[in-house]
Amino acid sequence: DIQLTQSPSFLSASVGDRVTITCRASQGISSYLAWYQQKPGKAPKLLIYAASTLQSGVPSRFSGSGSGTEFTLTISSLQPEDFATYYCQQLNSYLFGQGTKLEIK
Amino acid sequence: QVQLVQSGAEVKKPGASVKVSCKASGYTFTSYYMHWVRQAPGQGLEWMGIINPSGGSTSYAQKFQGRVTMTRDTSTSTVYMELSSLRSEDTAVYYCARDFRLTIFGVAPPFPGGMDVWGQGTTVTVSS
Repeated sequence: DIQLTQSPSFLSASVGDRVTITCRASQGISSYLAWYQQKPGKAPKLLIYAASTLQSGVPSRFSGSGSGTEFTLTISSLQPEDFATYYCQQLNSYLFGQGTKLEIK
Repeated sequence: QVQLVQSGAEVKKPGASVKVSCKASGYTFTSYYMHWVRQAPGQGLEWMGIINPSGGSTSYAQKFQGRVTMTRDTSTSTVYMELSSLRSEDTAVYYCARDFRLTIFGVAPPFPGGMDVWGQGTTVTVSS
């Protein structure tokens, strides 16, 4: 099975910061990757699909890049509502990464 | 609007089964696959399986093979997830989530999808 490794597991940042979260696949998965945001007690929300395509309604400060085995989710300027947990998901076997909790510094 | 509404919380004893429902509205039920994902307390997301509401075909994560059954009722636009032989480790919030790829002749096109609409979650507690 293709494994996903997300890093970091925890990230502390301030409003206005630029942050990057990385997701590495154990084998090449082309662009078969999605990113989700989850807030406590809520269902996940789709942010990015096909590695770099922004889901409708998602602010443009979110962006995704990568192909093959290495992918990144970037938030260009953190807003208060962005503090949440982020997950990558590979779209062949639908496995999720272990998550990155983004906290306020 | 597109919506998935799940059944209410369940408390089960070890060894029992649970059946969670997910009623879709606001779109053509048979045109989009449906996933089931669970999340144990304080843990990450875990994909359980997928069902094609058009023909009823399913694919399950290996971990749940033999214990999970996903079905659908097209007359009520509802999908079901039944998990048997419950143990304490199955205590989790269970979500249904729509795969956003519009199917063509009942099959999802071969490009990357994603889960664009989620149910509110159903808490299943397994305790003696």
